[in-house]
Amino acid sequence: DAKTTQPPSMDCAEGRAANLPCNHSTISGNEYVYWYRQIHSQGPQYIIHGLKNNETNEMASLIITEDRKSSTLILPHATLRDTAVYYCIVRVVNSGAGSYQLTFGKGTKLSVIP
Amino acid sequence: NAGVTQTPKFQVLKTGQSMTLQCAQDMNHEYMSWYRQDPGMGLRLIHYSVGAGITDQGEVPNGYNVSRSTTEDFPLRLLSAAPSQTSVYFCASSRTSGNTIYFGEGSWLTVV
Repeated sequence: DAKTTQPPSMDCAEGRAANLPCNHSTISGNEYVYWYRQIHSQGPQYIIHGLKNNETNEMASLIITEDRKSSTLILPHATLRDTAVYYCIVRVVNSGAGSYQLTFGKGTKLSVIP
Repeated sequence: NAGVTQTPKFQVLKTGQSMTLQCAQDMNHEYMSWYRQDPGMGLRLIHYSVGAGITDQGEVPNGYNVSRSTTEDFPLRLLSAAPSQTSVYFCASSRTSGNTIYFGEGSWLTVV
């Protein structure tokens, strides 16, 4: 079973910020939060990841609550090309073989509307 | 850089036929893996490799074989294709444990 809970779908107006929530209430101290997206018929694309601090890159921002039980991915100015399924994944990152695996849930289908 | 390259992109097989999905990466990544994605579902791990000569099973390994003779290549073999193996297959790689995992563009396989 996936260790995260996401809404199945969301809409966002073009040019507005898209805020995608994720619950991971059973996250362990050595697990990171990763976000990927999958545009129709393409391979999953890495967006951002974090442990406990908020993170920002050229694609998005990641806000993790202080208790680390939930997070929000923010796309600051959504465009039509951001329409995709967004996956929130918790992942152990250490030297063990299990840290190589990503466990995907069903994600959130984000529709950016003109 | 080409990144992670998969071939073929589309393939139709008859039940019982064999085939190999090719995966190559040019980033000198240690870790490579194969996932399958069925309609409306997330990706599930089939097999993975943490380096040349080392492979291991993932969540859904039955019906698939892999080998890793070089760092660059990680082929996925279907010895006797079944309709249940109709799916989209993604190859992925990362530099080492803990690094970001990057995916190929996918191979669409239909078994009739």
